[in-house]
Amino acid sequence: EIVMTQSPATLSVSPGERATLSCRASQSVNSNLAWYQQKPGQAPRLLIYGASTRATGIPARFSGSGSGTEFTLTISSLQSEDFAVYYCQHYIKWPYTFGQGTKLEIK
Amino acid sequence: QVQLVQSGAEVKKPGASVKVSCKASGYTFTSYGISWVRQAPGQGLEWMGWISGYNGNTNYAQKVQGRVTMTTDTSTSTAYMELRSLRSDDTAVYYCARVYAGSDYWGQGTLVTVSS
Repeated sequence: EIVMTQSPATLSVSPGERATLSCRASQSVNSNLAWYQQKPGQAPRLLIYGASTRATGIPARFSGSGSGTEFTLTISSLQSEDFAVYYCQHYIKWPYTFGQGTKLEIK
Repeated sequence: QVQLVQSGAEVKKPGASVKVSCKASGYTFTSYGISWVRQAPGQGLEWMGWISGYNGNTNYAQKVQGRVTMTTDTSTSTAYMELRSLRSDDTAVYYCARVYAGSDYWGQGTLVTVSS
């Protein structure tokens, strides 16, 4: 099983600033990596797939990078609606494990 | 538009079984798989397994293997997830999600509470 590790667990950032979230895989997943955003009481929403492709309707301030074992989600200028929990997930082989999440909170 | 609509909340006793449904619309059901993901209160996302919408092939997480069965009914574009021998730590919100480069559409979630 591929273990996904996200860092940091909690990130405090002021609105308008940049946020950088990390995700590491225990073995290479190539570019088979997705990022999700989840707000309280809601289902997760797909933000990024293929490590760097924005899903339909996702604003350009969200960007993903990386391949192999190291990945980054960057939110260029935080809006109030961006404060949420973010998860990465690989989908190269079963089981499609998730990271433990990074909570992005207002500083 | 793509929609996944799940069945309502359930309360079950330890040892019982639960079956959650996920009705898909807005796309060709047999062209995509469905994943099931759960989230215990205050915890992260846990992938439980996958079922092909085309031929019903499945792959289950080791943690629930032997207690879970995922099925589909292509005539109604509905996926099902049955979990047996429920324990208190199965209390969670259960989500179905369409599988495409990760999971691009999600159901609203079904809360399953296991309590005596």
